[in-house]
Amino acid sequence: DQQVKQNSPSLSVQEGRISILNCDYTNSMFDYFLWYKKYPAEGPTFLISISSIKDKNEDGRFTVFLNKSAKHLSLHIVPSQPGDSAVYFCAASETDGLTFGKGTHLIIQP
Amino acid sequence: NAGVTQTPKFQVLKTGQSMTLQCAQDMNHEYMSWYRQDPGMGLRLIHYSVGAGITDQGEVPNGYNVSRSTTEDFPLRLLSAAPSQTSVYFCASSYSGTGPSTNEKLFFGSGTQLSVL
Repeated sequence: DQQVKQNSPSLSVQEGRISILNCDYTNSMFDYFLWYKKYPAEGPTFLISISSIKDKNEDGRFTVFLNKSAKHLSLHIVPSQPGDSAVYFCAASETDGLTFGKGTHLIIQP
Repeated sequence: NAGVTQTPKFQVLKTGQSMTLQCAQDMNHEYMSWYRQDPGMGLRLIHYSVGAGITDQGEVPNGYNVSRSTTEDFPLRLLSAAPSQTSVYFCASSYSGTGPSTNEKLFFGSGTQLSVL
């Protein structure tokens, strides 16, 4: 049973507009949520995280929102740039490691 | 600054062969782990270690062995390769021995693409 779900395999957004990537989880014991970005032939790199005691965390163009009651988080990228084209993984932390979603392939169109 | 280094980058094996995927980090990180990435499956945790001499199983440990004799190295051994082990393997580390159960971010290697025929 998948504990972290990213239901959109891909998302296409025009350059300069907002990209919104969504993630749902089922385990209420998760205490941190993280987003990782992955380019082809490279390992994932950390992007932004949020503690379960917060509902928003912002870092430049990237903002993560957490809705604990709905067990939902989202990553907003504003404005979207061509270099943002990548696969984005939502992850949740527990005692032994991270549980990852399947990823969303974000495509920024010129 | 090398970070997390994985070798080899590509490997083709025949069913039943054994091999070791190497992982080394130069950041003095206590926590190290192995993930596999399969199409449509995201990344799944195979084994992890919270310090030298300590290892534990993750979500998908069957068919793999690990050891942690030094802080720097965390090799992953395939005992008898099977086609189901065709995947991209990532090694990752973080500073704290408690692993990424807090806000500790993981640093990933660039991956090893393994094909088992």
